[in-house]
Parts: sequence; C-alpha cells; structure tokens
Amino acid sequence: AQKVTQAQTEISVVEKEDVTLDCVYETRDTTYYLFWYKQPPSGELVFLIRRNSFDEQNEISGRYSWNFQKSTSSFNFTITASQVVDSAVYFCALSEASDNAGKSTFGDGTTLTVKP
Amino acid sequence: NAGVTQTPKFQVLKTGQSMTLQCAQDMNHEYMSWYRQDPGMGLRLIHYSVGAGITDQGEVPNGYNVSRSTTEDFPLRLLSAAPSQTSVYFCASRRLRAGYEQYFGPGTRLTVT
Repeated sequence: AQKVTQAQTEISVVEKEDVTLDCVYETRDTTYYLFWYKQPPSGELVFLIRRNSFDEQNEISGRYSWNFQKSTSSFNFTITASQVVDSAVYFCALSEASDNAGKSTFGDGTTLTVKP
Repeated sequence: NAGVTQTPKFQVLKTGQSMTLQCAQDMNHEYMSWYRQDPGMGLRLIHYSVGAGITDQGEVPNGYNVSRSTTEDFPLRLLSAAPSQTSVYFCASRRLRAGYEQYFGPGTRLTVT
C-alpha cells in the first residue's frame, strides 16, 4: 500500500531563511506520481508541482525547488529566501499508476510559519 | 471557468440531522472525489467517482453516501450526522489518469453539535 510521510509537523523560520520540507514515500509500483500542494491560511488547496517516477530531474521555479531522489524515496521541497506569504500548510501526495482510478494518498502536512 | 465549487461554506448540524454537501465542476473532469481534513491528519479520501454513474469508497466512507448522475456534480450526503463528522470537507476533480493533479473546491466547514 502506498504511504506518504511528512515527518515535520511544524516549521518556523524567519523571513529570508531557506527552508526544506521533507517528504518520504512508500510504494511498490515502478510508475508513480508525486505532488506538492499548498494550503495558505485562507484554506484553499493549490497545486504546486507534479513529478513522475521516471523523471528524476530536479525542478526550480523561482524561489521554489524540488529534489526527487528515488534511491531514498524522497521528494523534498525547498523554499529559498522565504517570505511571509509562504506561510501555509504544505502537503505531499502520491498516486500509483497501477491504481486505475489514480487515487492520491496525502501526507499529514507540514505547517510552515515565516516570521517577519 | 468557475473550477470546482462547493456549497455551503459553513454548516452547523445537530446530531442525527442529515444534509447534502454540493460539489460541481465545469472542467469536464472524469474523476471527482471527497476528502475530509482534520487537524494533524492530512486529507483522507471519503468517496470517489471515475465517471457518471460510477462511485466507490475511499479510506473513510462510513456515514457518507455519494452519487454521480452527471459529469459535473458529485454531492456528498451525511445520513445521520455525528460529532465525529465535524471537519472541513473538500471536493476535488481531475482528469482520470493517475498522473494528473487535482483541483480543489474552497471547502465546507461542518460542525456537528
């Protein structure tokens, strides 16, 4: 069965610090998909990125970067020079290709607080 | 495009009452799902649907019913509300295959007293 672990329940940083959110997953599939979602204090859930299992290239989007490592079953998310607007709950999720419906399993989330 | 819409945004029920949470999407997505979000427990799948007329149970289906008569609508029914169903409920949709991201509605905050 698939499982996603976000061991960091809460992280607090001061603005302009770099911060990394950890995500470790378990799956027996060789083809799977990993996602990050953001939930700001307003409550909506916003998709940030998708990565498939056969593409280990790291991705950078502005201050955000993602490090996918199959060897350690991790898909970590780094925010460089954090800002107060980055304060949110961040969820990592996994979906297996063998699941015909493609259901996602979510981690419990990491609450990031960026203080000015 | 409105995306995924949910009504109501807030609801207070008494134990034993029933109600329906509405969800609609205008993106012609085959897959729709309902999650509940409780503090420290992430998002747990209640029910999902891969198309009109097809529904299935997720991780925590007890106490909830769904139907999918059209591609656009996926209502969630609470049969007899219990305090344990106090939660925030999110509806989501996406294209059917596994690799697609989900689009979420704004959520419904439900309190059962």
